[in-house]
Amino acid sequence: DTGVSQDPRHKITKRGQNVTFRCDPISEHNRLYWYRQTLGQGPEFLTYFQNEAQLEKSRLLSDRFSAERPKGSFSTLEIQRTEQGDSAMYLCASSLSGTTNEKLFFGSGTQLSVL
Amino acid sequence: GQQLNQSPQSMFIQEGEDVSMNCTSSSIFNTWLWYKQDPGEGPVLLIALYKAGELTSNGRLTAQFGITRKDSFLNISASIPSDVGIYFCAGQFRGSNYKLTFGKGTLLTVNP
Repeated sequence: DTGVSQDPRHKITKRGQNVTFRCDPISEHNRLYWYRQTLGQGPEFLTYFQNEAQLEKSRLLSDRFSAERPKGSFSTLEIQRTEQGDSAMYLCASSLSGTTNEKLFFGSGTQLSVL
Repeated sequence: GQQLNQSPQSMFIQEGEDVSMNCTSSSIFNTWLWYKQDPGEGPVLLIALYKAGELTSNGRLTAQFGITRKDSFLNISASIPSDVGIYFCAGQFRGSNYKLTFGKGTLLTVNP
């Protein structure tokens, strides 16, 4: 069990640039989630995949954000035309559905700083 | 959206002391989870609770799912310096695709 892996760990970009983050979930997990966390707050839900299907998106996910999980394994989160307000920790999490006591496991996150 | 009220916001204690923190919600949750987060890292799952009234331990940690299903507490006994971090409660509604609602966290500082 290698856990949830995220890359990169840190990203500094200039306002207006596009950025893409990658998440590799725990290998047998079919559910994958993206959360965003700002300083002093708990994580907030952004979007959710079951296998390759994106089943739910938060209203926090503006049209500048897009997430994919093309083969039901790894996922990418892209932010276009970044704004300073996008600066946050972006967390990926995964779980295995259908288990009696489902648990959500998080990766170490990607810290985004938009200058 | 749903909100969890987590208290206290911060705690400063001496090594060896016991600690208690709690979360309350205006809505009923079907699952409560407690996570610990170190600076620059993602949350690490400590304890998961699935039934009202359930009391679960993980080493020095004990958590309970309130019988009203609107609250949960976490106790840490005999604190040690590595307990330092931010503790988050999170709740999940049945049928919400395991989407979690998090509290704002309790910052724990342990003085050796």
